[in-house]
Amino acid sequence: AQSVAQPEDQVNVAEGNPLTVKCTYSVSGNPYPFWYVQYPNRGLQFLLKYITGDNLVKGSYGFEAEFNKSQTSFHLKKPSALVSDSALYFCAVSANTGNQFYFGTGTSLTVIP
Amino acid sequence: GAVVSQHPSWVICKSGTSVKIECRSLDFQATTMFWYRQFPKQSLMLMATSNEGSKATYEQGVEKDKFLINHASLTLSTLTVTSAHPEDSSFYICSARGEPRYNSPLHFGNGTRLTVT
Repeated sequence: AQSVAQPEDQVNVAEGNPLTVKCTYSVSGNPYPFWYVQYPNRGLQFLLKYITGDNLVKGSYGFEAEFNKSQTSFHLKKPSALVSDSALYFCAVSANTGNQFYFGTGTSLTVIP
Repeated sequence: GAVVSQHPSWVICKSGTSVKIECRSLDFQATTMFWYRQFPKQSLMLMATSNEGSKATYEQGVEKDKFLINHASLTLSTLTVTSAHPEDSSFYICSARGEPRYNSPLHFGNGTRLTVT
């Protein structure tokens, strides 16, 4: 079965510190992982996606993600967290075996001033 | 580019009435759109895949007669919640792929908060 795991429901980090939000997946075919952010009562906003050949992908708002093929992971990172980064983050994976996206359960990030 | 517009943003209706939610791709054509439901502090639950010009594909456990989906054009899909009940109160979100490629991201509407009284 296809699955995307975000092992942490909640991540707290102090403003200015680096942050990591974890994502691992098990998807058949060639996986294409993505990160999305959701603010309260809003839809999901695309942050970044895996680009073939790039193990470190840079995206919007200073976020980046580290792709690890052997560990089937795509962890979201940011060198210096801002209070405005506080939101709900979703990892999603698409595959070349169908039309679906598979979503993780989300991680709530709180950046403490 | 790749903007998805969803309307209304919120709606309150009485039990037993029907509510229609519209999802439009503004600057691209979408042969496929996806409808999700999200409960508070939870992940997205895929309800159905809307296909332009054909019947929607519903996920297991989703009542197709209750959640009517119509994808009449390449830029518009609608979700109608028929005979709404309080348990249908939720946050509904539509999405579409900007390009028909596996590494093309989904783009989401801003969601519709439905409250059934």
